[in-house]
Amino acid sequence: DAKTTQPPSMDCAEGRAANLPCNHSTISGNEYVYWYRQIHSQGPQYIIHGLKNNETNEMASLIITEDRKSSTLILPHATLRDTAVYYCIVRSNQGGKLIFGQGTELSVKP
Amino acid sequence: DGGITQSPKYLFRKEGQNVTLSCEQNLNHDAMYWYRQDPGQGLRLIYYSQIVNDFQKGDIAEGYSVSREKKESFPLTVTSAQKNPTAFYLCASSIPGQGLNIQYFGAGTRLSVL
Repeated sequence: DAKTTQPPSMDCAEGRAANLPCNHSTISGNEYVYWYRQIHSQGPQYIIHGLKNNETNEMASLIITEDRKSSTLILPHATLRDTAVYYCIVRSNQGGKLIFGQGTELSVKP
Repeated sequence: DGGITQSPKYLFRKEGQNVTLSCEQNLNHDAMYWYRQDPGQGLRLIYYSQIVNDFQKGDIAEGYSVSREKKESFPLTVTSAQKNPTAFYLCASSIPGQGLNIQYFGAGTRLSVL
């Protein structure tokens, strides 16, 4: 499975867009990009996933570069409840384990 | 409501004792997983099961055991052989073979050693 690199921490002002980057330069053609987040002392929560097209759902948008070597998760209007650790994971479309790295700790400030 | 229920929320283990963490899901998912999370770290896979009566070791299976006798249940036993069991344990489930790897997690069990 491809390895991902994320900044350890980021700050964002409440109401502004939060843009969380992820590098996955060794991604292969059949691997998807998944994003999860974990609010303190809770289980991780699935946010969004994509293969090569940009994706949007009620929680966030996912922008994947054309060469698929990096992606950005966008929370369009961050709230204090979005404060969490965000994990970027690359995995093939088969079942099996997800490899959670250190993630990015996002702090949304008033 | 559909979801994954882990119990208990907090658990204490004495030296030399085996303890069992419960995980139940009513999502009708075939696959279930157990992860361990240490403070400030990501999740590490302990065991996973793709189908009833079958399970495989993950990356850190030593000192743990599981069973999968029912689709809804995937209990994890932390044995006395696990010398450093203090951690946050998370159970998850998913639908394998559907082209996606979306896992749904329970609220976790925090295990401490007395």
